[in-house]
Amino acid sequence: AQSVAQPEDQVNVAEGNPLTVKCTYSVSGNPYLFWYVQYPNRGLQFLLKYITGDNLVKGSYGFEAEFNKSQTSFHLKKPSALVSDSALYFCAVRDSLNSGGGADGLTFGKGTHLIIQP
Amino acid sequence: GAGVSQTPSNKVTEKGKYVELRCDPISGHTALYWYRQSLGQGPEFLIYFQGTGAADDSGLPNDRFFAVRPEGSVSTLKIQRTERGDSAVYLCASSLGVSRTYEQYFGPGTRLTVT
Repeated sequence: AQSVAQPEDQVNVAEGNPLTVKCTYSVSGNPYLFWYVQYPNRGLQFLLKYITGDNLVKGSYGFEAEFNKSQTSFHLKKPSALVSDSALYFCAVRDSLNSGGGADGLTFGKGTHLIIQP
Repeated sequence: GAGVSQTPSNKVTEKGKYVELRCDPISGHTALYWYRQSLGQGPEFLIYFQGTGAADDSGLPNDRFFAVRPEGSVSTLKIQRTERGDSAVYLCASSLGVSRTYEQYFGPGTRLTVT
């Protein structure tokens, strides 16, 4: 079965500093990895994904993420944080194999609250 | 273009009642998903449709939960004999195709409260 861990409930960063939100995963086959952001009272918004190829993927709002197969990680990054980046961030994974137990859906982590301080 | 829409946005019902939650996916998206998000948790997969058929319903918690998508577009999630533990935000998502590489686009959710 597939799983995702986001080890930090909350990350605090000063505006203008680089930010990292951590994510590790477990799958049976190859991972398809996604990051979503959730603003208060709004739905989940897709940020970026890794399917194959270049380990560094770029997405919306200046975010990027780095895939590391040996560490089974997919950390979200941004070079310079904005106050408007404050939100709840979810990492999600799908397995390339039919590993059962809802493998056709996304498996999400518990989320990380990102707080950017002015 | 229009995104995924869900109605109602909020639903309050009494324990034991029946509820229906509706999802209208992005036009042209063939795959549709339902998730449930409890407070402080990430969304949990419930069921997945390819066209009209439920391709994977392994996430439905028990037989009180059922979903349909009769014409391959709009979907309805049905919950019978609701329990207080069913209280959560129910999210619908759609994607362009059935490949697992496609990203899913989410609606704003229906907040269900069972009293």
